Amino acid sequence: GALVYQYPRRTICKSGTSMRMECQAVGFQATSVAWYRQSPQKTFELIALSTVNSAIKYEQNFTQEKFPISHPNLSFSSMTVLNAYLEDRGLYLCGARGQGYNNQAPLFGEGTRLSVL
Amino acid sequence: AQKVTQTQTSISVVEKTTVTMDCVYETRDSSYFLFWYKQTASGEIVFLIRQDSYKKENATVGHYSLNFQKPKSSIGLIITATQIEDSAVYFCAMRSSNTNKVVFGTGTRLQVLP
Repeated sequence: GALVYQYPRRTICKSGTSMRMECQAVGFQATSVAWYRQSPQKTFELIALSTVNSAIKYEQNFTQEKFPISHPNLSFSSMTVLNAYLEDRGLYLCGARGQGYNNQAPLFGEGTRLSVL
Repeated sequence: AQKVTQTQTSISVVEKTTVTMDCVYETRDSSYFLFWYKQTASGEIVFLIRQDSYKKENATVGHYSLNFQKPKSSIGLIITATQIEDSAVYFCAMRSSNTNKVVFGTGTRLQVLP
């Protein structure tokens, strides 16, 4: 079946340092990958949307300089949180979607929980 | 802009009963998809069921079904014969057919009690 793996599951970094998280699509071709951050209140914030053969689109309040994303092929994407601070804490989720009628809903992994000290 | 609203913050039910979770949405697009996901205690987000805007028939998958009322922009999730393992946070979401962007609601926490 189609699955999305995300790693690491949890990470702790010192304030001002950076950390990288990865997203792997298994069983389907991830033509579209969206990165979200979920707040402690469970609200989803879309960080950016990456679609194959298109430029990565960042949402307001999120920039490539802070959250650089790579989507080099149809099975992998990564995002780095640069210079992480307390406000960057949260659960980061990767939602990947393939093409075709049966792939309308993005699939998610278990997320990467970021703590900042 | 699209918006998804879940007004129920938390619901508790006794197992083996039926529960309905509400969701209303806003969009100007004529073609869109509506989704329900659940988030387990570990944080994992699981896709449950989807409704295509052009379909009049309510979608059903296992013990999940949808109550799609298009004139009211409403897409309720119905879980029949609830089990303890159904305890989770349930999210309603939507995506227009001409975009890859998915908009989520704020979630409804379901607790199924023995």
